[in-house]
Amino acid sequence: GDSVTQMEGPVTLSEEAFLTINCTYTATGYPSLFWYVQYPGEGLQLLLKATKADDKGSNKGFEATYRKETTSFHLEKGSVQVSDSAVYFCALSDRGGSNYKLTFGKGTLLTVNP
Amino acid sequence: DTAVSQTPKYLVTQMGNDKSIKCEQNLGHDTMYWYKQDSKKFLKIMFSYNNKELIINETVPNRFSPKSPDKAHLNLHINSLELGDSAVYFCASSPQSGEQFFGPGTRLTVL
Repeated sequence: GDSVTQMEGPVTLSEEAFLTINCTYTATGYPSLFWYVQYPGEGLQLLLKATKADDKGSNKGFEATYRKETTSFHLEKGSVQVSDSAVYFCALSDRGGSNYKLTFGKGTLLTVNP
Repeated sequence: DTAVSQTPKYLVTQMGNDKSIKCEQNLGHDTMYWYKQDSKKFLKIMFSYNNKELIINETVPNRFSPKSPDKAHLNLHINSLELGDSAVYFCASSPQSGEQFFGPGTRLTVL
């Protein structure tokens, strides 16, 4: 079945450091890929997405590129801020019938220190 | 204007009780979902409904019964609560694009 593997945290960085969170996936078809973010005490918010190979999703300074050849969707940000501290989830959607089922990675906790 | 809302936000109850969590979305989406997030933050889908019809049931114990009275609502009823049911439950909805919008979560604690 479908699966998502992302780097285990926690990840602790200083403000303005470069961030990479690795994500690889296994899927039988051609899934869409997502990064969701969960701030403390809140629900999940979509951060960015890519629906086909070589697409780049970007939002709030974060970027991720859909790499079919390496089955990866790594999240990057050039300069993190304290407000980026959250749990980040990589996910893929596999269309089953008329629905899109999201399969999540285990989440990576990011803490950014001032 | 909350897009996906859940009530209650916190639920503390005794083992063996029956409880319900309500979810409503005002986005006009056809599809709604329930996810369970465990203490290690791992998220797993439980159910999916499309236009009030059950589409996905991911080997969830039959003590959990979703009910969709209309397209905008998907409630989760849990019978005979067990300690292992303690978790955060998230409702979500989506259009046909695959992007899901999540509610704020309901933290269930079973004592």
